[in-house]
Amino acid sequence: GDSVTQMEGPVTLSEEAFLTINCTYTATGYPSLFWYVQYPGEGLQLLLKATKADDKGSNKGFEATYRKETTSFHLEKGSVQVSDSAVYFCALLTTGANNLFFGTGTRLTVIP
Amino acid sequence: KAGVTQTPRYLIKTRGQQVTLSCSPISGHRSVSWYQQTPGQGLQFLFEYFSETQRNKGNFPGRFSGRQFSNSRSEMNVSTLELGDSALYLCASSRNRGREEKLFFGSGTQLSVL
Repeated sequence: GDSVTQMEGPVTLSEEAFLTINCTYTATGYPSLFWYVQYPGEGLQLLLKATKADDKGSNKGFEATYRKETTSFHLEKGSVQVSDSAVYFCALLTTGANNLFFGTGTRLTVIP
Repeated sequence: KAGVTQTPRYLIKTRGQQVTLSCSPISGHRSVSWYQQTPGQGLQFLFEYFSETQRNKGNFPGRFSGRQFSNSRSEMNVSTLELGDSALYLCASSRNRGREEKLFFGSGTQLSVL
């Protein structure tokens, strides 16, 4: 079945450090891939997405590239800020379905 | 433009009771989906409604049910509550169905079953 495997957390980084959160997926067909972010006490917000192989999604300094050959969609940011502290979820939407499959989430804490 | 509104924000129930959660989608959105978020299982899809019809259902027991009204507002119901039903229940809406549609999530209803 369809699934998403996400890097276990928590991740603690100093401000301005480089961030990578790994995400790999298993799916039939050609899924769309997403990164969502959840700030404390809030619902999920779409951070970025990619709908086909080699697409790069980017937003707020974050980026992720849809790699079909490695079935991966790793999230990266060159310089994190304290305000980036949140839980990050990788997700996929398979062809024909209208529901998201989420990874387990990775809690990021950025310290000044 | 108001976002997705979920009520109540917090709820405490005891085992065996039933509960109804409400979700008001963004105006003009016709698709509403529900997700359960727990520390152990993460985020799991419950069901999706579009134009008052359930279009898709996740792997949850029949105690979990939902409906959608003509104004697109949705409710989900959990009967005979169990301790394991304690979770954050998130609702998401989109204008239509399909891969290109962006989902907007509410802040959720935190259900605690004692």
